Order: sequence, then C-alpha cells, then structure tokens
Amino acid sequence: AQSVAQPEDQVNVAEGNPLTVKCTYSVSGNPYLFWYVQYPNRGLQFLLKYITGDNLVKGSYGFEAEFNKSQTSFHLKKPSALVSDSALYFCAVRGGASSSNTGKLIFGQGTTLQVKP
Amino acid sequence: EAGVVQSPRYKIIEKKQPVAFWCNPISGHNTLYWYRQNLGQGPELLIRYENEEAVDDSQLPKDRFSAERLKGVDSTLKIQPAELGDSAVYLCASSPGPLREQYFGPGTRLTVT
Repeated sequence: AQSVAQPEDQVNVAEGNPLTVKCTYSVSGNPYLFWYVQYPNRGLQFLLKYITGDNLVKGSYGFEAEFNKSQTSFHLKKPSALVSDSALYFCAVRGGASSSNTGKLIFGQGTTLQVKP
Repeated sequence: EAGVVQSPRYKIIEKKQPVAFWCNPISGHNTLYWYRQNLGQGPELLIRYENEEAVDDSQLPKDRFSAERLKGVDSTLKIQPAELGDSAVYLCASSPGPLREQYFGPGTRLTVT
C-alpha cells in the first residue's frame, strides 16, 4: 500500500535561514512525488514534482526537493526562507503508470512551516 | 487562465439535511477529483473522473454520497443525509490527465450541526 509520512507537525525557522520539510514515502513501483502548499482558506497549490531524472527538482517560489531512492525520502528545501513562506505543506505520492493506483494521490498529514522575522 | 472554481465556499446545515457542492474544472482538463480534507489532515480522495466516467470511487461512502459529471465538464458532489462526521473541507481538483499534476480549487467548508 502507498503511504506518505511527514514526521514533523511544525517547522520553525528564522527568515533568511535555510529550511527543510521532511517527507518519506512507501510505494510499489516507481514513485511519482509531489509537494503542495496550502495557505489559510485556500486550496492546495502545486509546488513541484519528481517523476524521473535528476534527483534535485526545482519548483515554484524558489523551492526545491531532493529525491533519495535509498532512503525513500523527498525532502522540501529552500536556501533562504521568507516570512511569506509560512503555510501548510503537503507531500504526496502516486504510483507509477504501471500501478493499479494510477492517478490516485496519497497525501501526508502536512507540516506547518512558521518563518519568523 | 481561470483556475478550478467551487461553490459554495462555506455551507452550514443541520444533520440529516441534504447538501450539494459544485465544481468547474480548468478548461480542457479531462480528469476531475473530489477530495475530503478533515481538520489537521491531508486530503483523501473520494472519487476520480476521466471525462464523464467515474474510474475510482472506492473511497466514496455510497450509502449517502453521490457524484456526477454530466457532459464531462462540471461536477456535483451530494451528501444525503448529512451526518456530523461529514464536517470537513471538500476539495475539487482537475488535471490534463491522470498522470499529470493536479490543480485544486479553494474548497467548500461544510459544517454539520
């Protein structure tokens, strides 16, 4: 069965410092991995995805994520955090094209990122 | 380009009453999803459509929930009768295809009293 774990309920970081939001996954076959961000009273916004290729994926708003197959992780990173990055972040996984779960996203519980000035 | 549109944004009803949510996906997106997001949790898929066909409704509580996507564009999700445990945010998403990234609407926050 597919699953996603975000081990931290909240991450606190000072503005200008680097940030990391952790995600580990379990999926049969090759994983399709996603990060979404959710601001209060808004829907989820797509940040970036990994399907194949380079393990370092660059996305919107200066975010990037590193795929690590041996550790089954897909951590979200940003070199310099902004106060406006404060939001709820979700990692999600989907089975590959050969999986019976094609198209079905499994989301983690979410991690609240708090960036303080 | 307009995003995914949902209405209403908020709905408060008494238990045992019916309720319906509407979604208009991004133009050209054949795949449409309904998710439920409980407080403090990630979204959980209820149903996925490919055009007008429901291809995955395994998580939809069929005794009280129903959905339709006539003409393969707009979709409606209905609950009848609503229960207290149905209080959640109902999210609609669309994508150009099942393997592409999904774009979410703002959601409908349902409160059942």
